[in-house]
Amino acid sequence: GAVVSQHPSWVICKSGTSVKIECRSLDFQATTMFWYRQFPKQSLMLMATSNEGSKATYEQGVEKDKFLINHASLTLSTLTVTSAHPEDSSFYICSVHSYNTGELFFGEGSRLTVL
Amino acid sequence: AQTVTQSQPEMSVQEAETVTLSCTYDTSESDYYLFWYKQPPSRQMILVIRQEAYKQQNATENRFSVNFQKAAKSFSLKISDSQLGDAAMYFCAYRILSGGGADGLTFGKGTHLIIQP
Repeated sequence: GAVVSQHPSWVICKSGTSVKIECRSLDFQATTMFWYRQFPKQSLMLMATSNEGSKATYEQGVEKDKFLINHASLTLSTLTVTSAHPEDSSFYICSVHSYNTGELFFGEGSRLTVL
Repeated sequence: AQTVTQSQPEMSVQEAETVTLSCTYDTSESDYYLFWYKQPPSRQMILVIRQEAYKQQNATENRFSVNFQKAAKSFSLKISDSQLGDAAMYFCAYRILSGGGADGLTFGKGTHLIIQP
């Protein structure tokens, strides 16, 4: 069964609005979750590391005020794309790290289309 | 910074044949993980195989095996007896082996594998 669940799987919004994407760890508690972005026909790029109970760590070039990350519990991290614009349209994927096995498990991804 | 290079944007193989996907990486670290992930049209990332850098033995998973050359920083994936279900994007990925586990993956650009029936 699924280890990581993402919701919504796809969303369409108007330019200027904000969109929240949830990532849930179903099988174990996760102090660390990762958010990736994948543009069409491109690879996954790490955006940020979500840390439970503390601030997220953003990769170079990723605007922290644009992509708000909240990791309020050991099973849930949220990514909010604020004031979305068409160039934010992309596939967003989260992953969860298992300390027991060292594996990374990926969510199903969320396709965002900004009109 | 770590980089992962996949020099084959697309590969094609006949069903039941063997294909090798290449991957090289650059790092100054000595302890790390290497992965091959498969991304079918559903976009779900599926782990194919994993290799710990400190292990000399090449990892194998059924029809999938790797040729890990640490000194050359090379990590190729061999798929034997290719099946139609193997058609997908394949990504090579690197992750530092840190005690905190707080590092994400660095991905290559991917190789699109086509299986010819």
